[in-house]
Amino acid sequence: GDSVTQMEGPVTLSEEAFLTINCTYTATGYPSLFWYVQYPGEGLQLLLKATKADDKGSNKGFEATYRKETTSFHLEKGSVQVSDSAVYFCALRETSGSRLTFGEGTQLTVNP
Amino acid sequence: DAGVTQSPTHLIKTRGQQVTLRCSPKSGHDTVSWYQQALGQGPQFIFQYYEEEERQRGNFPDRFSGHQFPNYSSELNVNALLLGDSALYLCASSLQGVGETQYFGPGTRLLVL
Repeated sequence: GDSVTQMEGPVTLSEEAFLTINCTYTATGYPSLFWYVQYPGEGLQLLLKATKADDKGSNKGFEATYRKETTSFHLEKGSVQVSDSAVYFCALRETSGSRLTFGEGTQLTVNP
Repeated sequence: DAGVTQSPTHLIKTRGQQVTLRCSPKSGHDTVSWYQQALGQGPQFIFQYYEEEERQRGNFPDRFSGHQFPNYSSELNVNALLLGDSALYLCASSLQGVGETQYFGPGTRLLVL
């Protein structure tokens, strides 16, 4: 079945550091890929998405590129802020349906 | 524009009891999906409702059931609660169709004692 693997966390960075959170997936067909963010005590917020190979999703300084050849969708940000501290989830939506399959999540802490 | 709302926000039950969680979708959305998020893990798909019918189901036992009303709101029912049912239950709404993004509510945190 479909699956998503995220880099092991947690990740701790200083403000203005460069962020990469790795995400790889296993799926049949051509899934859509997502990054969701979860702040403490809240539900999930869509951060960005990409629906086909080589698409780049971007939002709030975050970006990720859909790489079919490496089955990856790594999240990057050039300069993180304290307010980016949260849990980040990579997810895929199956080609023929609409269920989302999530990774385990990566806890990011940004220190001033 | 109201987003996805869920009630209650928190709930405490004991083993063997039954619970009902509620979800109102984002304005204009007609499809509701439910997810279970155990502590420290990613959400797991329970099922999806569209046109008042269950359309897809994840790997959850029959103790988990749902309903969708004509106004598109939805309920998740869990019978014979187990300690392992303690989790954050998330509702997501979307428009039916390929390519539609799911938007999540704040969740209901259920604790089973």
